[in-house]
Parts: sequence; structure tokens; C-alpha cells
Amino acid sequence: EDQVTQSPEALRLQEGESSSLNCSYTVSGLRGLFWYRQDPGKGPEFLFTLYSAGEEKEKERLKATLTKKESFLHITAPKPEDSATYLCAVQAAGGTSYGKLTFGQGTILTVHP
Amino acid sequence: GAGVSQSPSNKVTEKGKDVELRCDPISGHTALYWYRQSLGQGLEFLIYFQGNSAPDKSGLPSDRFSAERTGGSVSTLTIQRTQQEDSAVYLCASSLGGFTGELFFGEGSRLTVL
Repeated sequence: EDQVTQSPEALRLQEGESSSLNCSYTVSGLRGLFWYRQDPGKGPEFLFTLYSAGEEKEKERLKATLTKKESFLHITAPKPEDSATYLCAVQAAGGTSYGKLTFGQGTILTVHP
Repeated sequence: GAGVSQSPSNKVTEKGKDVELRCDPISGHTALYWYRQSLGQGLEFLIYFQGNSAPDKSGLPSDRFSAERTGGSVSTLTIQRTQQEDSAVYLCASSLGGFTGELFFGEGSRLTVL
């Protein structure tokens, strides 16, 4: 069974204080790993796709990296508007699971001014 | 509108009643997905449509749950004989053909079963 574990559950940062969120995964074969951002009362918003170990993607203050066992979302000099829940998800290769993403529980990030 | 539209945004029902949740995907998106988000459970996959067919319905929790999609567009998720454990936010998403993992989510339908 595919599993995704995110840590920490919650993270409080001061504005400008860089940090990282962790996503550990177990999947029979990885088709892709995805990061989403979710604001309260909204649906998740796509951020990144990573396909293979060693791959990195960047967007503004966010950088996602991937190894064979985990992914990190690095946040550099965060701002209060980066406050949100960050979700990690995996898609398994093969079978009929084309449409299925397995999500972690998320990390609630709060950035104080 | 440009995004995924879901209705109703909020639904309160009594245990044992049937409910229908509607999703209108982004125009031109051939793939459509239903997920459920409950406290402490995270996002849970329910069903995936490609066009009007559902190649993966493995996440439907029981035979009380069904979904259909017509005209390659609008989808309806139906829950029969609702139970309190069905209370959750039901999220619909769509994507371009194939599967990129880049899903565009609606804002969800919050279902409360009393």
C-alpha cells in the first residue's frame, strides 16, 4: 500500500526564517511526486511535479527536491503570504492507478511578520 | 468561469437521506477526479474519469457511493442513505488529457450528516 508521511505537522516561522518541510514516501514504483498548497476553505493548488531522484524544481521562494525515499520543500526567506497547508502526494506507476494520488496529511505553515 | 465549479458549497442532511454533489470541470479538461477530505484523514481518492468512463473507481468506500459523468463534462457524485461518517469536504478536480499530476481543484462541497 502506498504511504506518504509529512513532517512536521505544523511549523511556525518568523518572516525571513528559512526552513524545510519533509515528505517521506513508500510506493511500489514512483510515477511522480507532487506538491500542492492549500489555503483555508479552498481546494489544493498545484506547485510542483518531480519524477526522479536528484530532480529539483523552483518557484519564487520555494524549492522542491527528490530522493528515492523522500522529498523536501525548502522555503527561503518566507513571507506571511506563504502561510498555508503544504500537501505532498505520490502517484504509483503501473496498473490502473492513473488517476489516483496518495496524499500525506500535510504540514501547516504559519509565517509571522 | 475559468475554474472548476462545485455545487452546493455546503450541504446539511439527515442520516439516511440521499445527496447529489455536482462538479463542472474546466472546459477542455478530459480527466475528472473526486477526492474526499476529512479531519484527520487527509485527502482520499474516490474515483477518476477519462471522458465519460471511469477506469479507476477503487476509492469509492461502499456501494452507497456512485458517480457519473455525461458529455465528457459535468459529473455528479451521489451518496445514498448517508451516514455520519460521510461528513467531509468533497473535492472535484480536473486536468488535461492523460495524467500529469497537475490537478485543478474546485473549492469543494462541505457535507454534514446529522
